[in-house]
Amino acid sequence: GAVVSQHPSWVICKSGTSVKIECRSLDFQATTMFWYRQFPKQSLMLMATSNEGSKATYEQGVEKDKFLINHASLTLSTLTVTSAHPEDSSFYICSASEGREAQPQHFGDGTRLSIL
Amino acid sequence: GQNIDQPTEMTATEGAIVQINCTYQTSGFNGLFWYQQHAGEAPTFLSYNVLDGLEEKGRFSSFLSRSKGYSYLLLKELQMKDSASYLCAVSDSNYQLIWGAGTKLIIKP
Repeated sequence: GAVVSQHPSWVICKSGTSVKIECRSLDFQATTMFWYRQFPKQSLMLMATSNEGSKATYEQGVEKDKFLINHASLTLSTLTVTSAHPEDSSFYICSASEGREAQPQHFGDGTRLSIL
Repeated sequence: GQNIDQPTEMTATEGAIVQINCTYQTSGFNGLFWYQQHAGEAPTFLSYNVLDGLEEKGRFSSFLSRSKGYSYLLLKELQMKDSASYLCAVSDSNYQLIWGAGTKLIIKP
């Protein structure tokens, strides 16, 4: 159980393109979803936390207008990287948990984004 | 500030036992998690400790001492596929996960 599906796995696109990444919890209701970014050989960096039906909470330094997060249902959250540039190239990973209390976060497989 | 410390890299031999330590200083504590992350892949959940003591799950065990702000992950009968990074994360008073930088474990034949 506790499967999280993230799509797409790879994206290669031109600078200035907007890219949408989907994160779905397949067999549980995800009250909270998280979006992370990870550069090579570095640790996970939390970008934002989203609760179903409310606005995402962004970490310091993360631009809200750049990284649009929508958590429209208990099973789906999306991250849109708007007008992506080469410096946005990274490994983006979503995770989901079932409740507010200390439940494990279950991760999607990640999306490798390369902006040319 | 909040801080999680774990060694950057460890090396062990196939078939042996290795212990990966994690110390933490956080504002509040609602449990400690261990995750495994293979290169280029997302993390997978290994264990969760909220009470002091040892939790055993097959070849993997995790220990917690809240008074010492200390945990370890013990891997027995090491296999080549255990080569990965092991991430320690603490849930703080707001149930926010504070992540360690990860320990890269290298298994040699």
